[in-house]
Amino acid sequence: GAVVSQHPSWVICKSGTSVKIECRSLDFQATTMFWYRQFPKQSLMLMATSNEGSKATYEQGVEKDKFLINHASLTLSTLTVTSAHPEDSSFYICSARGTGDDGYTFGSGTRLTVV
Amino acid sequence: KQEVTQIPAALSVPEGENLVLNCSFTDSAIYNLQWFRQDPGKGLTSLLLIQSSQREQTSGRLNASLDKSSGRSTLYIAASQPGDSATYLCAVEQGGSEKLVFGKGTKLTVNP
Repeated sequence: GAVVSQHPSWVICKSGTSVKIECRSLDFQATTMFWYRQFPKQSLMLMATSNEGSKATYEQGVEKDKFLINHASLTLSTLTVTSAHPEDSSFYICSARGTGDDGYTFGSGTRLTVV
Repeated sequence: KQEVTQIPAALSVPEGENLVLNCSFTDSAIYNLQWFRQDPGKGLTSLLLIQSSQREQTSGRLNASLDKSSGRSTLYIAASQPGDSATYLCAVEQGGSEKLVFGKGTKLTVNP
C-alpha cells in the first residue's frame, strides 16, 4: 500500500528559530499533500493543502507567512514553521492520497516543542 | 459546514468483548468515510475506507458500516484484544473537496 514518510518525528527548538518538516510519498506520486495540526486530546485540523508546482491553499485562520509550505516535486512537501513560538508547539501530520480510490495515507507525525 | 461527532469519547472494555464505535456527520454529501487508528504520539493508520456508494467494509475483526442518508457510520470490533487499545478516528471526505473532516475520536482501552 501507499507509504508516507515524515521527518523528523520530534524536534525541540528555541523561540524565534525556524523548523522544517518533510513529508515524502515513498512509492507513489502525490500531486496534492495535506498538512494537519493536532493539539492534545483534540482531533486533526487541516492547516493547508500543498499543491505540486503551485502555491499552497491555506485554511481560514492559518498564517501562511508563518507556516511556509513548499511542494517542489511529486514526492516531497515541506512545512517550515518560521519564527517559532511556544504556542506553535503541537503535533503536525501530513497526508497524501494514493492512486485510485485508496483513501488517504498519513505520515507518522512530528512532535514540535518550542522552548 | 460539515461536523463529525464520535460517541463515546472513551470506552473501556474487558478483553474478548465485541464493541461498537459510532460516528455521525451532518452533511450527507460525502465522497467517502474512512476509519483510522492512532496510537499515542503516532500518526494515523488507515483501517477501513467506505465509498459513498457502499454500505460496509470488512477487514479481519473489523467491520465498518455506512448509512449516508442518516449520516452515520459504525465501526464494529469483534473479540477485542489489548493490542486494539488506541484512539479511533472517523473522517469524511466532502464531495469534490479532497478535504477530510475528522471527529475527535474514541479512546479505546481493552483490559487484559
